[in-house]
Amino acid sequence: KAGVTQTPRYLIKTRGQQVTLSCSPISGHRSVSWYQQTPGQGLQFLFEYFSETQRNKGNFPGRFSGRQFSNSRSEMNVSTLELGDSALYLCASSLGVLADEQFFGPGTRLTVL
Amino acid sequence: EDQVTQSPEALRLQEGESSSLNCSYTVSGLRGLFWYRQDPGKGPEFLFTLYSAGEEKEKERLKATLTKKESFLHITAPKPEDSATYLCAVTDSGNTPLVFGKGTRLSVIA
Repeated sequence: KAGVTQTPRYLIKTRGQQVTLSCSPISGHRSVSWYQQTPGQGLQFLFEYFSETQRNKGNFPGRFSGRQFSNSRSEMNVSTLELGDSALYLCASSLGVLADEQFFGPGTRLTVL
Repeated sequence: EDQVTQSPEALRLQEGESSSLNCSYTVSGLRGLFWYRQDPGKGPEFLFTLYSAGEEKEKERLKATLTKKESFLHITAPKPEDSATYLCAVTDSGNTPLVFGKGTRLSVIA
């Protein structure tokens, strides 16, 4: 079966712009989580959605937001980009609630200039 | 607050040279410990979930074990294709989000 897909795979933006990243989970998976990965901090949890509701949110500023649609697809948005937002953004899906076996997508590499 | 520390940060092995990676954790009531493999430019790939001390799981050349304070990922007779970053993560009984360690970067030289 098809895995988790993320679009776009690469993005280059400038400071102050905003960006929207998209994630399509594995068919049948209702939980989607987002993570930020940087060399210095490693993988850090952003938020988790289940059945269109945000269940958990990590320690990130309000510039980071997300949503989930009725078909379980999810988007995350970052407004007023800063240089420090440059990272690999990973989406993971699972059948049920957080901490079940999670399957990751390939990520979106965001570069902020 | 849950914490995960992985060691060593990097490990270089000759092909066939067995070794172990360590993941020590601090969590109030472990619900699950997860091992992932990540290749450069890709998302993490799920390997194992361990739930209770004494549990062991195997997959090809990899075996994961769990105690009350740490987990080991044993790699037996590794091959160059085992080269990757291995990540450990935990979640607690409050169903909090996964907390990841910073990973061990493994290089296996032919």
